[in-house]
Amino acid sequence: NAGVTQTPKFRVLKTGQSMTLLCAQDMNHEYMYWYRQDPGMGLRLIHYSVGEGTTAKGEVPDGYNVSRLKKQNFLLGLESAAPSQTSVYFCASREKRTSTDTQYFGPGTRLTVL
Amino acid sequence: GQQLNQSPQSMFIQEGEDVSMNCTSSSIFNTWLWYKQDPGEGPVLLIALYKAGELTSNGRLTAQFGITRKDSFLNISASIPSDVGIYFCAGPNNNDMRFGAGTRLTVKP
Repeated sequence: NAGVTQTPKFRVLKTGQSMTLLCAQDMNHEYMYWYRQDPGMGLRLIHYSVGEGTTAKGEVPDGYNVSRLKKQNFLLGLESAAPSQTSVYFCASREKRTSTDTQYFGPGTRLTVL
Repeated sequence: GQQLNQSPQSMFIQEGEDVSMNCTSSSIFNTWLWYKQDPGEGPVLLIALYKAGELTSNGRLTAQFGITRKDSFLNISASIPSDVGIYFCAGPNNNDMRFGAGTRLTVKP
């Protein structure tokens, strides 16, 4: 099992450019999450999905869109990148059974917007 | 939304020393989780607490779920260099998770 993988690992964008971050998990998990991590802020939830074809907003959803067309993939899109979106992005997944089940995190994507 | 306040923000300790950090909330949590993040990696779950007053150990790590359900503590005994990293507390909030800002631990050999 590869667990949770993220593509790409690093990316530099210019303001206004768009890009998509890909998260893939091979554990057949129902729930998937996208977080951003900024210095001194911990992890903040952007969007999440409780199953294929469903998505929901988290704590800081503005400027991002997501799609969950396949159960194993969760895509995070930035339509028009801004410097405020410079951050490290983490994807996570977990089973559906209870809210206390462990979230498994990917290695992160470091995004810089100039 | 529910906010988790974690302290201290950072700690610099000597190898072999014990470490204590805590997390508080203005709201009640039914579960407390402690994660560790190594440099360049995603967070990994260390300990999960499910009951108020619960004390749980994982090797040199011990965590407690506060009686009021508004706080939790993590202790690391006899620290070693590989304990370096950022420690996060977290609590489920419906379908998502809220995280503290983290405690950055540095261990000097």
